[in-house]
Amino acid sequence: DTGVSQNPRHKITKRGQNVTFRCDPISEHNRLYWYRQTLGQGPEFLTYFQNEAQLEKSRLLSDRFSAERPKGSFSTLEIQRTEQGDSAMYLCASSSDPLGVLHYEQYFGPGTRLTVT
Amino acid sequence: LAKTTQPISMDSYEGQEVNITCSHNNIATNDYITWYQQFPSQGPRFIIQGYKTKVTNEVASLFIPADRKSSTLSLPRVSLSDTAVYYCLVGGMDTGRRALTFGSGTRLQVQP
Repeated sequence: DTGVSQNPRHKITKRGQNVTFRCDPISEHNRLYWYRQTLGQGPEFLTYFQNEAQLEKSRLLSDRFSAERPKGSFSTLEIQRTEQGDSAMYLCASSSDPLGVLHYEQYFGPGTRLTVT
Repeated sequence: LAKTTQPISMDSYEGQEVNITCSHNNIATNDYITWYQQFPSQGPRFIIQGYKTKVTNEVASLFIPADRKSSTLSLPRVSLSDTAVYYCLVGGMDTGRRALTFGSGTRLQVQP
């Protein structure tokens, strides 16, 4: 399977704990995105990488959130001191830019559902 | 940020053509229009992208009038499996974040 993969698919954690999610993009894609989605809402942009460089961060990405993409391959999203409000689906997507159009067709992974108790 | 407005929900029957319109009055010169489809518990899936006039692929058509202040996603002969949420996004080269704003989308319900 050459699609975007995310691990774990589900994570239940207690408030105050740290969690880390992993995303493996499509191998030839140089851009990688993280989104958060709550029930009934569209995905909310968190951050995006071009190769290993983190180019944009949303205001939603508080100091407790950090994302990395070492060597421009897989990416991790860490949430420190989780809060109940962090409960959501965390989506990863990747893309390339064959036409030079920024954020051309994004391929999304299945997401990691986080539940903070 | 350029804001998009879509109907909250639409209903249709199998075999009908469905048109979902998105308003984007503040679209910028360099902006593209992109539509995604999302099923429950799955990530969104790219449907189509366009800049002006008409774009067609194997699953949908995208109509963009000359002023580009709106766009219409057309799904021909829908089936039950087209029941999903459809998102319109607007953005492009100059301000990346606008291209990544999904909004609440349009919930399409297709009935037999």
